[in-house]
Amino acid sequence: GIQVEQSPPDLILQEGANSTLRCNFSDSVNNLQWFHQNPWGQLINLFYIPSGTKQNGRLSATTVATERYSLLYISSSQTTDSGVYFCAVRSGGSYIPTFGRGTSLIVHP
Amino acid sequence: EAQVTQNPRYLITVTGKKLTVTCSQNMNHEYMSWYRQDPGLGLRQIYYSMNVEVTDKGDVPEGYKVSRKEKRNFPLILESPSPNQTSLYFCASSLDFGGSGTYEQYFGPGTRLTVT
Repeated sequence: GIQVEQSPPDLILQEGANSTLRCNFSDSVNNLQWFHQNPWGQLINLFYIPSGTKQNGRLSATTVATERYSLLYISSSQTTDSGVYFCAVRSGGSYIPTFGRGTSLIVHP
Repeated sequence: EAQVTQNPRYLITVTGKKLTVTCSQNMNHEYMSWYRQDPGLGLRQIYYSMNVEVTDKGDVPEGYKVSRKEKRNFPLILESPSPNQTSLYFCASSLDFGGSGTYEQYFGPGTRLTVT
């Protein structure tokens, strides 16, 4: 099946810093989604982005499907950005999404 | 408010005692699924349902059952729970799962299950 790798696995930032999280996948995908799992365990949708670029406030994401990667940008990070960021992909013909292992982000005040 | 709800949120039970975790969505979504999340293993799909009376196995279906008698509800049943089913469980739904691009999944708040 498709392999999904996220990097870095861990990231520690000071409040106000910018960061880039990466999601690589081993096959072509027709669905890709980024989630944030907050420290209370809740999974929150960030972007549905099988291709192209989207922005939502301080967050933006870009997926280059032909090169099999997606990037999540966090600008001016805040302590509330702490948590784990997951990407999930689905390749054609599969009804089961594959999640990456996540990037654990800690933002210090 | 559009949402996916799960109950209970926390449950401690003993080996072999049947339990059901309920999941309900109010968005008229066709696709629903269950995941478990374990440290070091990430999120893995247990079962999914494409619509009423249509269910199929995900990556880790052993020890679980599901049913989809109504569009809004998708309960997860553990007929004889074992300690290796101790985990954090999530229910999710999406409008559909087709190539139209409406795959965006919405997750419930999670159910933390401990089996002793």
